[in-house]
Amino acid sequence: RKEVEQDPGPFNVPEGATVAFNCTYSNSASQSFFWYRQDCRKEPKLLMSVYSSGNEDGRFTAQLNRASQYISLLIRDSKLSDSATYLCVVMEGGNTGKLIFGQGTTLQVKP
Amino acid sequence: DAMVIQNPRYQVTQFGKPVTLSCSQTLNHNVMYWYQQKSSQAPKLLFHYYDKDFNNEADTPDNFQSRRPNTSFCFLDIRSPGLGDAAMYLCATSRERVINEKLFFGSGTQLSVL
Repeated sequence: RKEVEQDPGPFNVPEGATVAFNCTYSNSASQSFFWYRQDCRKEPKLLMSVYSSGNEDGRFTAQLNRASQYISLLIRDSKLSDSATYLCVVMEGGNTGKLIFGQGTTLQVKP
Repeated sequence: DAMVIQNPRYQVTQFGKPVTLSCSQTLNHNVMYWYQQKSSQAPKLLFHYYDKDFNNEADTPDNFQSRRPNTSFCFLDIRSPGLGDAAMYLCATSRERVINEKLFFGSGTQLSVL
């Protein structure tokens, strides 16, 4: 079983749609959780951290369910510029700072 | 201004010919990481340095080595590249190895092996 699992997609949605991505992780000792965005042949860029209480940044909402070891990302009012791969990322427990990346979910927003 | 700089952006090498990828940082961060990302796959950690302390991942092949001569620079050496080593190589830094510490990524080096 992969340490961080995501549906690779692609998700093809029209502009203005709401889309949700899910992610599960296997290590219950994981301590920090993130969503990164990666454009084609570019480096991953931090989109947002994910907290148990849920957090929102504009059109983006992230949720963490520690009991189910489940992370989600909701994008409202999709823009063409949201087209990218979204990587679910978990920081390993202990003092390693090691990030475990999911395979990523590809989003294509169409006009 | 770029804070984590990787050179070159694209690198082509021949099967079996040693190649070195470089990473430099202006952040004075303690930790430098090397990730390998193959097409349509997740970035995978190869190793990291905490200051001068080298930390190898258990499943990183011996073909991959790294050097950190000073705080600012870190190199990835591939001693005998195979076709399967073609990938994007990402360097990242962080101030410390603690939870919620932000990672800063370079723009990556895309390696092709002919």
